[in-house]
Amino acid sequence: DAGVTQSPTHLIKTRGQQVTLRCSPKSGHDTVSWYQQALGQGPQFIFQYYEEEERQRGNFPDRFSGHQFPNYSSELNVNALLLGDSALYLCASSLAGPNTGELFFGEGSRLTVL
Amino acid sequence: AQSVTQLGSHVSVSEGALVLLRCNYSSSVPPYLFWYVQYPNQGLQLLLKYTSAATLVKGINGFEAEFKKSETSFHLTKPSAHMSDAAEYFCAVSSPSNDYKLSFGAGTTVTVRA
Repeated sequence: DAGVTQSPTHLIKTRGQQVTLRCSPKSGHDTVSWYQQALGQGPQFIFQYYEEEERQRGNFPDRFSGHQFPNYSSELNVNALLLGDSALYLCASSLAGPNTGELFFGEGSRLTVL
Repeated sequence: AQSVTQLGSHVSVSEGALVLLRCNYSSSVPPYLFWYVQYPNQGLQLLLKYTSAATLVKGINGFEAEFKKSETSFHLTKPSAHMSDAAEYFCAVSSPSNDYKLSFGAGTTVTVRA
């Protein structure tokens, strides 16, 4: 049973560029959440996608956008990159409906902005 | 609103000694509580979770945590530390009032001395 997979694992961009990160959820899961983890900090919630729509959003600017596809996979897009966007971006999947909020995480995509 | 506070950003223990990581939460409704572990350059792995059943929760790798409503705490313990326990540990909370969104603490880094 495949877990959550993310790509790429590492990437380097320069300020002002745009980046797209990809995520495939755990088999059977239909909801994808994205988190940003800056160095030495806990993960911060960016947004969550269900049924191809953004269902919840954290305190992140509009430069951060996402998409969910019919097969439940998801993309995170960040425009006009800033140095402060350097972080580990974690994708997590879960099942919609009444649940506890337990998430299954991927290994993350480490973004470095120069 | 919900949040967690992890007391102590860094804990150092001797191999074989007790591991105690502290977590206090705030939530306007009964919460669900989680402990996740993150090994270097990896994603987050669930250690254990409290979902309103037994207040003493046993998890993987010999860890356990006790939910104490009167103290709004969910401290993580392991009787005897092993070198492989060296990692970063995150406490997290979710609740129906926040649509089960997971909110993480800042994390506690555990080092194990031989």
